[in-house]
Amino acid sequence: GAGVSQSPSNKVTEKGKDVELRCDPISGHTALYWYRQSLGQGLEFLIYFQGNSAPDKSGLPSDRFSAERTGGSVSTLTIQRTQQEDSAVYLCASSSKTSGRYNEQFFGPGTRLTVL
Amino acid sequence: KQEVTQIPAALSVPEGENLVLNCSFTDSAIYNLQWFRQDPGKGLTSLLLIQSSQREQTSGRLNASLDKSSGRSTLYIAASQPGDSATYLCASPRVDSGNTPLVFGKGTRLSVIA
Repeated sequence: GAGVSQSPSNKVTEKGKDVELRCDPISGHTALYWYRQSLGQGLEFLIYFQGNSAPDKSGLPSDRFSAERTGGSVSTLTIQRTQQEDSAVYLCASSSKTSGRYNEQFFGPGTRLTVL
Repeated sequence: KQEVTQIPAALSVPEGENLVLNCSFTDSAIYNLQWFRQDPGKGLTSLLLIQSSQREQTSGRLNASLDKSSGRSTLYIAASQPGDSATYLCASPRVDSGNTPLVFGKGTRLSVIA
C-alpha cells in the first residue's frame, strides 16, 4: 500500500512569510508525528497526534509553530513569520497501535524548507 | 528521559567486510528499539524493530540485537556492499509505551568502498 507522503518536497520562502507543510499518513494509522532535522543536527521531535488530538506538543520550538490534524488523517504543520533558523527538513511519520509491531514508525520523504 | 547515542559518527569499510554499528541508550526500561537507514536527501527507511521482549531481529544481511541490561543495541551488516552506504539511525520511544515519539541517535554515516 501507499506509504507516508509529504508535500511540498521543497519549499523556499522569504523570512517573515508563513508556510504550510502537509503530511498524509499511511491509511488507518492512528498516530502521526512531526520531526525536524537540521543540518548537522539529529532528528528533533516537534509534535505528536493520536487521532485528531495532540497529547504532546512539547517539541514545538516557539509559538510560531502550530499543527492540526483533521479526520484522523491529513496533518498540516504551519510556521508563521518564518526565520532563517527554521530552515531544515521536516519529516512526518505515522504508526498504528493495532499493528503487531507496536509503534513501528514509517517516515515520509520530508519537506526541505529553506528560509532566505 | 531516554537518551540515545551512536558511535562512531562515521565509518568507512571495504566492500565485502562484515561490520557492526553501535547504539547506546540510557533508560533500560525500553519499549522497543528501531533501526533506520537514511540516504542523502531522503526520508528514513525502517530496517528492523526489536521489541523489549526480544533479543534480536534479522532481515536478510542485517541482524540487530538488543541488550537492555547494558543499554546497548548493535546492527550487524554481513558482506557489506557499496549500496549499503547511507546513514544508519537508531531510535527508542521517549517513554515505556507504544505510539510515542522517538528519541534518535545522531547516526553513523557508513561508506562501503568498492
